[in-house]
Order: sequence, then C-alpha cells, then structure tokens
Amino acid sequence: RKEVEQDPGPFNVPEGATVAFNCTYSNSASQSFFWYRQDCRKEPKLLMSVYSSGNEDGRFTAQLNRASQYISLLIRDSKLSDSATYLCVVNIIYGGSQGNLIFGKGTKLSVKP
Amino acid sequence: EPEVTQTPSHQVTQMGQEVILRCVPISNHLYFYWYRQILGQKVEFLVSFYNNEISEKSEIFDDQFSVERPDGSNFTLKIRSTKLEDSAMYFCATFSVLVSYEQYFGPGTRLTVT
Repeated sequence: RKEVEQDPGPFNVPEGATVAFNCTYSNSASQSFFWYRQDCRKEPKLLMSVYSSGNEDGRFTAQLNRASQYISLLIRDSKLSDSATYLCVVNIIYGGSQGNLIFGKGTKLSVKP
Repeated sequence: EPEVTQTPSHQVTQMGQEVILRCVPISNHLYFYWYRQILGQKVEFLVSFYNNEISEKSEIFDDQFSVERPDGSNFTLKIRSTKLEDSAMYFCATFSVLVSYEQYFGPGTRLTVT
C-alpha cells in the first residue's frame, strides 16, 4: 500500500476557478503534514503546513482529518501562476529521530486563461 | 531570505565513476537531508544527518552512498561507483527544529550517468 496517495491529475481549470486536491496517508505514525508545490524540474517549495484545526493562507486553505488520514488543499480564485505540481507530504518520526518526509507523487494543476 | 544552495547544478558522469554533490545548508539549521527524484517519479528520502552522524537512511542509501560534513558548512553526498539508475535530481534539505519541522530544499543537482 502506497504511503501517500494523491490523484495524479492533471487538473485543467480556468483562471478564477476553485480547485481542491485530496490526499490520503497510510501510516498513522505520521506527525506533521505539508503541502509543497513543485514547478517543472525545480525543487519542492513549501506552500503551507497543515494543522488539525485547519489553516488558511490567502487563497489557500488546508485541512487535516487524522481519524480518516486525509489531507486536503483548496485553492480559490486560481491564477495562471498557480500552475504547478502540488505535493502532499507527511513527516514520519521514528524513535528519537526527527523523521523524514514522505512524498506523494503529486497532482498536476494547469490554470488556463 | 536565507536559502539552501547546491553545487553543481548539473553533473554528467560515466558509469562507475565517483561523484560528490555539495550542499550549503541555511546557517542556523542543524538537520540535513538528501532526497532524490528520478524523472517523472516522486521525491524519495535517502538519508538524514544530525550532530555529525546519520540519523536515518532508506533502503536506497546502500554502501555506494556516503554523507559527511567535512568543514562545518558544506554537507556532501558521495556516490562511490555510479550506476545508470542513479541518474536523478538530488535535493538537499535542511531545517531547524527550534523554528519548525518545515524542511527547505536546495535547487538540486541533476546527475546524469552515461
């Protein structure tokens, strides 16, 4: 079973649309949750951390449901510059380590004029 | 804004050769990681490093790989005898647990093994 699963997309949406990404994770030991964005052949860039209470940063809203092991990202009023691959990421901590990041394969978003 | 830097940006090498990839972490960060991403695939964890020793490593990080922090600033990944399947983007990432568990990635080194 894959550790972090995402719909690969692509999602093709017009400018101004609202788009939602979903992600599930299999390891209940996961302790921290993030959304990263990755442009083609570039490094992953942190978009936002995800908290159990839900959190919002401008047009972006992230939700976490620990019971269902489910993470979501909502982008409102999408811009052309939002076109990228969105990576769902969890941090699994083992023993005394600080853990490491487990990435989903990503969901590709293409925003069209 | 402080950032992680990596050199070289692109390395081409022949199979069987040794390569060293370099990373300069953000200055107050204490935890260092290497990840790789084969073209078209997901980002995969290789190894984490703290207090001058490996904290954790994945099954990908076999005896051909090693890491060190030779001079207190650079953090290096060495591949002793490269294979064709080592061709990938290699990303260095760092974080400071004093701030958060958010890891910040360098721009990556694209390794091509021919």
